[in-house]
Amino acid sequence: DAGVIQSPRHEVTEMGQEVTLRCKPISGHNSLFWYRQTMMRGLELLIYFNNNVPIDDSGMPEDRFSAKMPNASFSTLKIQPSEPRDSAVYFCASSFAGLGIGEQFFGPGTRLTVL
Amino acid sequence: KQEVTQIPAALSVPEGENLVLNCSFTDSAIYNLQWFRQDPGKGLTSLLLIQSSQREQTSGRLNASLDKSSGRSTLYIAASQPGDSATYLCAAYSGGGADGLTFGKGTHLIIQP
Repeated sequence: DAGVIQSPRHEVTEMGQEVTLRCKPISGHNSLFWYRQTMMRGLELLIYFNNNVPIDDSGMPEDRFSAKMPNASFSTLKIQPSEPRDSAVYFCASSFAGLGIGEQFFGPGTRLTVL
Repeated sequence: KQEVTQIPAALSVPEGENLVLNCSFTDSAIYNLQWFRQDPGKGLTSLLLIQSSQREQTSGRLNASLDKSSGRSTLYIAASQPGDSATYLCAAYSGGGADGLTFGKGTHLIIQP
C-alpha cells in the first residue's frame, strides 16, 4: 500500500486566494482526519470523517475553512480566502475505526505558505 | 478535558544508551494511546498503539508501556542509534469523537554519534 497520499506537497499563494489541499486515504480505512501543525500551536485536529461523513468539525478555525469527502478514497480541505496566519503544515491521516478511533497513519503533509 | 504532557521537551544522549520517554495524561479513562515519531519536514510515523486493556507493546528495539491508574505511558528505546533522532509524540484517545483525541507536544530526541 502506498500509504496516505497528499497533494500538493508545497503550496505558496497570495493572501485572498483559494487553496485546495487533497488527500487519498489508505484503502480500506473508514476514518479520515485533517490536522494543522505550527511551531506555536503544535498539532491541531481540524475535522474528522467517519464513513465519508463529517463527525466532528469543531477544530475548523472559521468559515473560511471547509472540507469534503465525496467518497471513501478522496478528501479535500479548502481555504477561501487564505490569510498569512493560515501558513502551516497540513496533514491528512486515516485509520480503520471500529469502536472509536484506531491506529492513525499520517500522510507526508502539505506545507502551505500564504504571502 | 484531557491534557497530555511530554517531559522533557528535548533530550540529547550518546549513542548506545537505553532511554525512556514519558507521556502523562490527566484522564485515566482512555481507550488507547499511540506513539509516533516525526522526522524534520515529514509526517508522523506510527510506532506503537496500546489499547486500554494492554500493559505494553513491543516493536523491535521499542517498548511502550501503559499505566492508566497513574496516567502514564513510557516509550523505552534500547541501544539508541543516531537514526532514532526525531521528535516523539504520544496521543491519548478518550472515546467519543475526535475531541477525545489529544496529542502531546512531543519530545525532541537527539542521539549523539
